[in-house]
Amino acid sequence: GAVVSQHPSWVICKSGTSVKIECRSLDFQATTMFWYRQFPKQSLMLMATSNEGSKATYEQGVEKDKFLINHASLTLSTLTVTSAHPEDSSFYICSARDWGQGRSGNTIYFGEGSWLTVV
Amino acid sequence: DAKTTQPPSMDCAEGRAANLPCNHSTISGNEYVYWYRQIHSQGPQYIIHGLKNNETNEMASLIITEDRKSSTLILPHATLRDTAVYYCIVRVYNNNDMRFGAGTRLTVKP
Repeated sequence: GAVVSQHPSWVICKSGTSVKIECRSLDFQATTMFWYRQFPKQSLMLMATSNEGSKATYEQGVEKDKFLINHASLTLSTLTVTSAHPEDSSFYICSARDWGQGRSGNTIYFGEGSWLTVV
Repeated sequence: DAKTTQPPSMDCAEGRAANLPCNHSTISGNEYVYWYRQIHSQGPQYIIHGLKNNETNEMASLIITEDRKSSTLILPHATLRDTAVYYCIVRVYNNNDMRFGAGTRLTVKP
């Protein structure tokens, strides 16, 4: 299947600083990418939908000024957690939709996830 | 998108078939059934999807009932590496996002 890669896999940052997480689609172009957050022993929660060349769409309750999303190209979306606090510590996962041919068309593939720890 | 109901946990013996049920009684005619799994500390992995016909790929088989109100994911010969949380998601084909429920935690035991 298609490959989506995230970087970094894990990051530790100090409270009050900002941290950027990258999401790349490696073998297909993704006009739409998605960002999720997952706390321990919980399911994935959709945070926002990232659209190439336009503003991201945020889910209710997600602060768009805190979680900045940029989708500057068809293969890259970034999530920046600004002024991070310990409660932002979580597993962040991105995904991208592959409009490719065949049965995998319009299937969503996920990255490996990025662990953020704010100390 | 229609909601799904899955058992919270299941056990399966290594080498045996794992049958994971999913109820989606409110599914609409244009909604597909998708299955993903999440191994601990990794992103979800796509397994299979279908509309109304049974589907099979190298990972699993998907059996959808005739009324489409439920489905079963079958891992034919479960291994220890199949231990994961399995998510059944119902979604309109052209819909953008994928929304996750609690899933089924499958534990494959030796």
